[in-house]
Amino acid sequence: QSVLTQPPSVSAAPGQKVTISCSGSSSNIGNNYVSWYQQLPGTAPKLLIYDNNKRPSGIPDRFSGSKSGTSATLGITGLQTGDEADYYCGTWDSSLSAAVFGGGTQLTVL
Amino acid sequence: EVQLVQSGAEVKKPGESLKISCKGSGYSFTSYWIGWVRQMPGKGLEWMGIIYPGDSDTRYSPSFQGQVTISADKSISTAYLQWSSLKASDTAMYYCARLSEMATPSTPFFDYWGQGTLVTVSS
Repeated sequence: QSVLTQPPSVSAAPGQKVTISCSGSSSNIGNNYVSWYQQLPGTAPKLLIYDNNKRPSGIPDRFSGSKSGTSATLGITGLQTGDEADYYCGTWDSSLSAAVFGGGTQLTVL
Repeated sequence: EVQLVQSGAEVKKPGESLKISCKGSGYSFTSYWIGWVRQMPGKGLEWMGIIYPGDSDTRYSPSFQGQVTISADKSISTAYLQWSSLKASDTAMYYCARLSEMATPSTPFFDYWGQGTLVTVSS
């Protein structure tokens, strides 16, 4: 059971928008920055978003992040088949003194 | 170009020891924290711990403290993850990853990842 809760799966059609939620508590998301990773099948994770809403160089602006209270959201617009992957949120948990990840959300682009 | 290259897949028996490696290149190895992340088959990511190769300062997740040892040899820009006595439940993919220069140990996020080392423990 992950400390951060994500929906197991989401789906949407090509060109559409999808959001992935990540729910936590005051000891993690509520008081720390959130990052998001994309893991394409059979590959290592890739950083998409850090500090709640910042994109590393090279990440298209189709990907966005936001945080409100103890929840965070990853948004992806203009969906492409190449976006099919598992997406993970991550943050620091002050009670555990450890970084924690969500359980992951599998995105299907129908 | 920043690269983290991990050692190859391992097949071990329960009770055996193992040390896997992660060699960094293309950046100042001693100036960035390196972390290890476990991914069990079909499961999510788990943060195991991090090390600062510059002074070997090491932080462990409470879930992995005492179960593994993280170390680094800055002379060859390589970080290690080792087990003294493997269990079947250690079967997983293990990734090393570099903590971004904009991150800290208590606000960690990883900007570069190794390709992963698959460890299989089976009798």
